[in-house]
Amino acid sequence: QQKVQQSPESLIVPEGAMTSLNCTFSDSASQYFAWYRQHSGKAPKALMSIFSNGEKEEGRFTIHLNKASLHFSLHIRDSQPSDSALYLCAVSTGSALGRLHFGAGTQLIVIP
Amino acid sequence: GPKVLQIPSHQIIDMGQMVTLNCDPVSNHLYFYWYKQILGQQMEFLVNFYNGKVMEKSKLFKDQFSVERPDGSYFTLKIQPTALEDSAVYFCASSTAGGVSAETLYFGSGTRLTVL
Repeated sequence: QQKVQQSPESLIVPEGAMTSLNCTFSDSASQYFAWYRQHSGKAPKALMSIFSNGEKEEGRFTIHLNKASLHFSLHIRDSQPSDSALYLCAVSTGSALGRLHFGAGTQLIVIP
Repeated sequence: GPKVLQIPSHQIIDMGQMVTLNCDPVSNHLYFYWYKQILGQQMEFLVNFYNGKVMEKSKLFKDQFSVERPDGSYFTLKIQPTALEDSAVYFCASSTAGGVSAETLYFGSGTRLTVL
């Protein structure tokens, strides 16, 4: 059974700082790795995803995957107050249609 | 962007009664999902649905649960009868394709179900 864990549980950073969020998974057959963001009371919304080892950058957001370490991360450059939200990592082995395994989330607060 | 609508946002029901949660997925999406999140816990996969059939379900998808999407209308999750442990937020999601190369899942805002 896939186990997905996130750290830290919560994080407070000042505006402009670099934020790093971590996610570990247990199934080495995992093939799809994603970050979702959820503002309070709203729908989780996909931010970025990656399939292969390495880095992928989109604007201020970078996702980094190391399959051998069973770890991937999300880095937010120049964090903004609007980035304040619950960040969920999600992992899939790929064989199951849309069967994502989610972490419990990291609550990020960016202080102006 | 594409939106998935869930109706209602909150439902309170007595244990043993039937409840139907409604989801209006993104219009051109073909795959539909339900996820369950108990307060303070991770969101967990319940079921996926394609071409009128359940493709896969988890252990959380009890015999009392059923899903359908009659004639392209709402994608529904029915629980009959409800139990106290069914209290949770239920998220609906949809995507254009399934599998590892799937498009992103688009989620609704969830229906908070409270079973008394």
